[in-house]
Amino acid sequence: DAGVIQSPRHEVTEMGQEVTLRCKPISGHDYLFWYRQTMMRGLELLIYFNNNVPIDDSGMPEDRFSAKMPNASFSTLKIQPSEPRDSAVYFCASSFVVWRSGNTIYFGEGSWLTVV
Amino acid sequence: TQLLEQSPQFLSIQEGENLTVYCNSSSVFSSLQWYRQEPGEGPVLLVTVVTGGEVKKLKRLTFQFGDARKDSSLHITAAQPGDTGLYLCAGARASYGKLTFGQGTILTVHP
Repeated sequence: DAGVIQSPRHEVTEMGQEVTLRCKPISGHDYLFWYRQTMMRGLELLIYFNNNVPIDDSGMPEDRFSAKMPNASFSTLKIQPSEPRDSAVYFCASSFVVWRSGNTIYFGEGSWLTVV
Repeated sequence: TQLLEQSPQFLSIQEGENLTVYCNSSSVFSSLQWYRQEPGEGPVLLVTVVTGGEVKKLKRLTFQFGDARKDSSLHITAAQPGDTGLYLCAGARASYGKLTFGQGTILTVHP
């Protein structure tokens, strides 16, 4: 079975440009998460969706960041305009059930973003 | 504010040694998970612990959840170079399972 698929794997862009990261969750999963990982701050939850609806976007750093999930098999995270401090690895993850005792979350391989 | 504090941040040991990684919080969690992440990949779930005092074993790895469900530990016996990676603990504070991650422990096992 295919796991969580992210694209692009690597992106280098200039400051001020728009960046769009894409994610295809595992089929049948009803939760989708966007995380950002840096050495300084570790793994941070940016936003998550349940059944395509954004539930908690309190981790989104500022208005330059936006995320959408138009259907159950696709999500985007957009940064406009991008800044050097946005350089990080962005992970998409999905899970299929909300257990009483916790999710099993499956991560993609990440999108490595460098803003110069 | 970091809800989950992991220690140590870095650990460099020789093959065959034992080690313990700690994950501490002042908050109570409904469940706690441990992940391992290798370079260039996303984190992969190792185990979920849900009951205070619970101990789970996965080959040479032993996971323990504190009685008060505020802390956890990961113990590796006879570490091998293949154990090298970033180990992350993550806690869920509600039944819907939103996870908060610790900063991670970078483990290097030298042959």
